[in-house]
Amino acid sequence: DAGVIQSPRHEVTEMGQEVTLRCKPISGHDYLFWYRQTMMRGLELLIYFNNNVPIDDSGMPEDRFSAKMPNASFSTLKIQPSEPRDSAVYFCASSFGSPGELFFGEGSRLTVL
Amino acid sequence: LAKTTQPISMDSYEGQEVNITCSHNNIATNDYITWYQQFPSQGPRFIIQGYKTKVTNEVASLFIPADRKSSTLSLPRVSLSDTAVYYCLVDGDYSGAGSYQLTFGKGTKLSVIP
Repeated sequence: DAGVIQSPRHEVTEMGQEVTLRCKPISGHDYLFWYRQTMMRGLELLIYFNNNVPIDDSGMPEDRFSAKMPNASFSTLKIQPSEPRDSAVYFCASSFGSPGELFFGEGSRLTVL
Repeated sequence: LAKTTQPISMDSYEGQEVNITCSHNNIATNDYITWYQQFPSQGPRFIIQGYKTKVTNEVASLFIPADRKSSTLSLPRVSLSDTAVYYCLVDGDYSGAGSYQLTFGKGTKLSVIP
Protein backbone atom coordinates (compact mmCIF):
# COMPACT_ATOMS: atom_id res chain seq x y z
CA ASP A 1 0.00 0.00 0.00
CA ALA A 2 1.39 3.41 -0.95
CA GLY A 3 2.21 5.80 1.83
CA VAL A 4 1.48 9.50 2.00
CA ILE A 5 2.54 11.08 -1.25
CA GLN A 6 3.71 14.67 -1.45
CA SER A 7 4.69 16.82 -4.38
CA PRO A 8 6.84 18.50 -5.32
CA ARG A 9 9.78 17.13 -3.33
CA HIS A 10 11.76 20.28 -3.93
CA GLU A 11 10.64 23.74 -4.92
CA VAL A 12 12.75 26.82 -5.46
CA THR A 13 10.91 30.02 -6.13
CA GLU A 14 11.32 33.74 -5.89
CA MET A 15 9.80 35.96 -3.30
CA GLY A 16 6.29 37.00 -4.20
CA GLN A 17 5.47 33.91 -6.21
CA GLU A 18 2.63 31.56 -5.40
CA VAL A 19 3.55 28.13 -4.10
CA THR A 20 1.25 25.12 -4.05
CA LEU A 21 2.18 21.96 -2.20
CA ARG A 22 0.18 18.80 -2.72
CA CYS A 23 -0.60 15.76 -0.62
CA LYS A 24 -2.31 12.45 -1.18
CA PRO A 25 -3.09 10.74 2.13
CA ILE A 26 -3.26 7.02 2.73
CA SER A 27 -6.54 5.62 1.51
CA GLY A 28 -9.03 5.16 4.33
CA HIS A 29 -7.40 7.62 6.68
CA ASP A 30 -9.77 10.23 8.05
CA TYR A 31 -7.27 12.77 9.38
CA LEU A 32 -4.81 14.86 7.40
CA PHE A 33 -2.18 17.15 8.86
CA TRP A 34 0.15 19.78 7.47
CA TYR A 35 3.39 20.43 9.36
CA ARG A 36 6.30 22.77 8.78
CA GLN A 37 9.83 22.02 9.95
CA THR A 38 12.69 24.45 10.39
CA MET A 39 15.88 24.31 12.43
CA MET A 40 14.76 27.20 14.59
CA ARG A 41 11.20 26.14 15.37
CA GLY A 42 11.27 22.38 14.93
CA LEU A 43 8.16 20.61 13.69
CA GLU A 44 5.06 22.82 13.86
CA LEU A 45 1.49 21.82 13.17
CA LEU A 46 -0.11 24.23 10.70
CA ILE A 47 -3.57 22.80 10.17
CA TYR A 48 -5.42 19.52 10.26
CA PHE A 49 -8.55 18.10 8.68
CA ASN A 50 -11.01 15.44 9.75
CA ASN A 51 -13.10 13.91 6.99
CA ASN A 52 -12.03 16.74 4.67
CA VAL A 53 -13.17 19.44 7.09
CA PRO A 54 -10.59 21.80 8.63
CA ILE A 55 -10.67 21.32 12.39
CA ASP A 56 -8.03 23.73 13.56
CA ASP A 57 -5.92 26.16 11.56
CA SER A 58 -4.53 28.11 14.50
CA GLY A 59 -1.03 27.06 13.49
CA MET A 60 -1.22 28.73 10.10
CA PRO A 61 1.26 31.59 10.38
CA GLU A 62 -0.69 34.25 8.52
CA ASP A 63 -3.22 34.93 5.80
CA ARG A 64 -0.70 34.19 3.09
CA PHE A 65 -1.15 30.52 3.95
CA SER A 66 -4.24 28.55 3.01
CA ALA A 67 -5.08 24.87 2.88
CA LYS A 68 -7.85 22.92 1.24
CA MET A 69 -9.01 19.35 1.14
CA PRO A 70 -11.55 19.04 -1.68
CA ASN A 71 -11.87 15.28 -1.25
CA ALA A 72 -10.58 12.41 0.86
CA SER A 73 -7.61 11.75 -1.39
CA PHE A 74 -6.15 15.18 -1.97
CA SER A 75 -5.07 18.27 -0.10
CA THR A 76 -3.16 21.41 -0.97
CA LEU A 77 -1.22 23.96 1.02
CA LYS A 78 -0.85 27.27 -0.75
CA ILE A 79 1.41 30.20 0.05
CA GLN A 80 0.66 33.44 -1.73
CA PRO A 81 2.76 35.53 -1.87
CA SER A 82 5.76 33.56 -0.70
CA GLU A 83 8.54 35.11 1.40
CA PRO A 84 12.08 33.94 2.21
CA ARG A 85 11.04 33.16 5.80
CA ASP A 86 8.65 30.55 4.44
CA SER A 87 11.64 28.42 3.44
CA ALA A 88 11.23 25.11 5.26
CA VAL A 89 10.32 21.48 4.80
CA TYR A 90 6.58 21.00 4.68
CA PHE A 91 5.24 17.61 5.72
CA CYS A 92 1.86 16.13 5.18
CA ALA A 93 0.68 13.30 7.42
CA SER A 94 -2.45 11.22 7.68
CA SER A 95 -3.95 8.96 10.32
CA PHE A 96 -6.97 6.85 11.08
CA GLY A 97 -8.93 7.66 14.20
CA SER A 98 -7.95 9.80 17.16
CA PRO A 99 -5.41 9.52 18.59
CA GLY A 100 -3.85 7.58 15.80
CA GLU A 101 -0.48 6.76 14.36
CA LEU A 102 0.61 9.57 12.08
CA PHE A 103 2.02 8.49 8.74
CA PHE A 104 4.22 11.16 7.21
CA GLY A 105 5.13 11.84 3.64
CA GLU A 106 8.68 12.48 2.48
CA GLY A 107 8.16 16.22 2.70
CA SER A 108 8.39 19.15 0.30
CA ARG A 109 11.50 21.27 0.69
CA LEU A 110 10.66 24.86 -0.16
CA THR A 111 13.28 27.51 -0.80
CA VAL A 112 12.12 31.06 -1.37
CA LEU A 113 14.82 33.35 -2.73
CA LEU B 1 -2.35 21.55 27.02
CA ALA B 2 0.27 19.09 28.11
CA LYS B 3 3.77 20.28 27.27
CA THR B 4 6.56 17.79 26.81
CA THR B 5 10.19 18.24 27.82
CA GLN B 6 13.00 16.09 26.45
CA PRO B 7 16.79 16.32 26.52
CA ILE B 8 18.11 18.10 23.47
CA SER B 9 20.73 15.49 22.69
CA MET B 10 22.22 12.18 23.84
CA ASP B 11 25.24 10.14 22.85
CA SER B 12 25.57 6.38 23.13
CA TYR B 13 27.96 3.66 22.02
CA GLU B 14 26.87 0.92 19.71
CA GLY B 15 25.39 -2.08 21.48
CA GLN B 16 24.24 -0.17 24.53
CA GLU B 17 20.69 0.30 25.73
CA VAL B 18 19.46 3.86 25.41
CA ASN B 19 16.75 5.40 27.55
CA ILE B 20 15.20 8.71 26.57
CA THR B 21 12.90 10.30 29.10
CA CYS B 22 10.11 12.73 28.36
CA SER B 23 8.34 14.84 30.98
CA HIS B 24 4.66 15.67 30.56
CA ASN B 25 3.45 16.95 33.91
CA ASN B 26 0.08 18.16 32.67
CA ILE B 27 -0.98 15.04 30.83
CA ALA B 28 -4.74 14.60 30.71
CA THR B 29 -6.66 11.46 31.59
CA ASN B 30 -7.46 10.63 27.99
CA ASP B 31 -4.02 11.38 26.58
CA TYR B 32 -1.76 8.76 25.04
CA ILE B 33 2.01 8.95 24.79
CA THR B 34 3.53 8.37 21.39
CA TRP B 35 7.13 8.34 20.23
CA TYR B 36 8.39 9.05 16.74
CA GLN B 37 11.78 8.73 15.06
CA GLN B 38 13.04 11.01 12.34
CA PHE B 39 16.03 10.53 10.07
CA PRO B 40 17.49 13.44 8.09
CA SER B 41 15.49 14.31 4.99
CA GLN B 42 12.62 12.05 6.01
CA GLY B 43 9.31 12.49 7.77
CA PRO B 44 8.89 11.23 11.34
CA ARG B 45 8.06 7.57 11.73
CA PHE B 46 5.94 6.01 14.47
CA ILE B 47 7.85 3.91 17.00
CA ILE B 48 5.52 3.09 19.85
CA GLN B 49 2.45 4.29 21.72
CA GLY B 50 1.22 3.63 25.23
CA TYR B 51 -1.20 4.75 27.89
CA LYS B 52 0.21 3.28 31.11
CA THR B 53 2.69 0.73 32.49
CA LYS B 54 4.83 -0.90 29.84
CA VAL B 55 4.47 -1.44 26.14
CA THR B 56 6.93 -3.39 24.02
CA ASN B 57 7.20 -3.99 20.31
CA GLU B 58 9.90 -5.30 18.01
CA VAL B 59 11.97 -2.13 18.12
CA ALA B 60 11.45 -0.46 21.49
CA SER B 61 9.86 -0.45 24.91
CA LEU B 62 7.90 2.33 26.52
CA PHE B 63 7.77 2.69 30.27
CA ILE B 64 5.09 4.85 31.85
CA PRO B 65 4.92 5.24 35.65
CA ALA B 66 1.64 5.21 37.51
CA ASP B 67 1.33 9.01 37.66
CA ARG B 68 1.96 9.20 33.87
CA LYS B 69 3.84 12.47 34.27
CA SER B 70 6.80 11.11 32.40
CA SER B 71 7.66 8.31 30.03
CA THR B 72 10.84 6.56 28.96
CA LEU B 73 11.59 5.22 25.53
CA SER B 74 14.04 2.33 25.72
CA LEU B 75 16.03 1.24 22.67
CA PRO B 76 17.88 -2.03 23.23
CA ARG B 77 21.37 -2.50 21.81
CA VAL B 78 21.46 0.53 19.55
CA SER B 79 23.31 0.52 16.27
CA LEU B 80 24.64 3.32 14.10
CA SER B 81 21.38 3.26 12.14
CA ASP B 82 19.50 4.38 15.25
CA THR B 83 21.13 7.80 15.01
CA ALA B 84 18.10 10.05 14.61
CA VAL B 85 15.88 12.56 16.35
CA TYR B 86 13.29 11.10 18.72
CA TYR B 87 10.09 12.94 19.53
CA CYS B 88 7.70 12.43 22.40
CA LEU B 89 4.09 13.33 21.77
CA VAL B 90 1.20 13.52 24.17
CA ASP B 91 -2.01 13.30 22.21
CA GLY B 92 -5.57 12.71 23.11
CA ASP B 93 -8.75 12.93 21.16
CA TYR B 94 -8.19 15.56 18.51
CA SER B 95 -11.58 15.19 16.90
CA GLY B 96 -12.41 18.61 18.29
CA ALA B 97 -10.37 21.77 17.92
CA GLY B 98 -8.27 22.71 20.90
CA SER B 99 -8.34 19.29 22.48
CA TYR B 100 -5.26 18.00 20.76
CA GLN B 101 -1.57 18.09 21.40
CA LEU B 102 0.20 16.93 18.25
CA THR B 103 3.14 19.19 19.11
CA PHE B 104 6.47 17.62 18.24
CA GLY B 105 8.82 20.27 19.55
CA LYS B 106 12.51 19.78 18.83
CA GLY B 107 12.95 16.24 20.07
CA THR B 108 16.08 14.47 21.30
CA LYS B 109 18.95 14.04 18.89
CA LEU B 110 20.52 10.64 19.53
CA SER B 111 24.01 10.06 18.22
CA VAL B 112 25.28 6.48 18.25
CA ILE B 113 29.06 6.21 18.34
CA PRO B 114 30.96 3.22 16.95
